[in-house]
Amino acid sequence: GENVEQHPSTLSVQEGDSAVIKCTYSDSASNYFPWYKQELGKGPQLIIDIRSNVGEKKDQRIAVTLNKTAKHFSLHITETQPEDSAVYFCAASRDNQGGKLIFGQGTELSVKP
Amino acid sequence: KAGVTQTPRYLIKTRGQQVTLSCSPISGHRSVSWYQQTPGQGLQFLFEYFSETQRNKGNFPGRFSGRQFSNSRSEMNVSTLELGDSALYLCASSWGTGGFNEKLFFGSGTQLSVL
Repeated sequence: GENVEQHPSTLSVQEGDSAVIKCTYSDSASNYFPWYKQELGKGPQLIIDIRSNVGEKKDQRIAVTLNKTAKHFSLHITETQPEDSAVYFCAASRDNQGGKLIFGQGTELSVKP
Repeated sequence: KAGVTQTPRYLIKTRGQQVTLSCSPISGHRSVSWYQQTPGQGLQFLFEYFSETQRNKGNFPGRFSGRQFSNSRSEMNVSTLELGDSALYLCASSWGTGGFNEKLFFGSGTQLSVL
């Protein structure tokens, strides 16, 4: 069935360093890849997304890259700050799936001051 | 603009009982999706409602059901509760244009504990 694998499960970096989280998807028909940030006691918040017709997308300190051939995509956070500490989830979906996303297992990012 | 509102925030039930959770989407959004979040299984899709009709369904037993009202508000019901139903239940809304993937906006969830 559809599956998204996410690595690493935990990631600890020093403030100012970069953080990279990687995901691999199994459904070759997947064409939409959002990333969510979940802080303690809150629901997931969409931080960036990419569609399969684009290889890379940036938004300030956050970027996402997509390799359709290898079926993997990555989240890059530069100049990390303590407020970036949270759990990050990647997800995948395809056309006509509406609100159905297949999520990775999450990465707990800790940014140490 | 108000976000997605879920009530109640916390619920404690016992095995065998049933529970109803409520979700009010962002104004103008017509699609509501429900997810279950547990430490072991992560985020799993339950179902999606659009225009009062279930549009997509995940792999959960029939004890999990939902409905959507004409104002797009949605409720989710779990009957004959089991210990394994303890989880954070998240609701997400989107415009609901269908066909193409949409950005989902999540509420803060309802934390259900089954004793």
